[in-house]
Amino acid sequence: GEDVEQSLFLSVREGDSSVINCTYTDSSSTYLYWYKQEPGAGLQLLTYIFSNMDMKQDQRLTVLLNKKDKHLSLRIADTQTGDSAIYFCAEKIGSNTGKLIFGQGTTLQVKP
Amino acid sequence: DSGVTQTPKHLITATGQRVTLRCSPRSGDLSVYWYQQSLDQGLQFLIQYYNGEERAKGNILERFSAQQFPDLHSELNLSSLELGDSALYFCASSLGGSSGNTIYFGEGSWLTVV
Repeated sequence: GEDVEQSLFLSVREGDSSVINCTYTDSSSTYLYWYKQEPGAGLQLLTYIFSNMDMKQDQRLTVLLNKKDKHLSLRIADTQTGDSAIYFCAEKIGSNTGKLIFGQGTTLQVKP
Repeated sequence: DSGVTQTPKHLITATGQRVTLRCSPRSGDLSVYWYQQSLDQGLQFLIQYYNGEERAKGNILERFSAQQFPDLHSELNLSSLELGDSALYFCASSLGGSSGNTIYFGEGSWLTVV
């Protein structure tokens, strides 16, 4: 089946690292994505990783993928108040479609 | 700015009515996707078009339909609207095909059915 699970809430202090976790069930996932949604705004693509990769780093963002356990994580280094938002994990099903299965979203609260 | 443009941004309409949401993909993108975001269902894939042809279908109701025009813009038509159709409707685009891995979303169209 197609299912993506995330924890609903994470609270961190400004300057700390944040780690948002995600698990998925479909082993045919080709790419996995992280999107950010600020209040009243659209979905901003943060980063994505090919399912054959283990890690991808992009400035303050590090994505780790454990394909065996179907576990994906997003680490945000030096978290800032501007990082407060909802973070969605998504898996892409198939190579020729853009069907994304999204998790419920993790609300990240950054305290000053 | 993702480059995906959606109109209108906000729409309030009555039950039983019909509305059309419009999407212009990023320049050069051939694929367009529609998603619905609601509090109870989360983000749900509705439908995908690639270069004018339907490519994949998700949880799209029969009262809803979409199309992609020769200039690649897309419209999502929602008819016989019900209160439960109130949601944020997203359009997204990508190059499409096996190389369409970067999928960018628009700002969404907020639909309120009263």
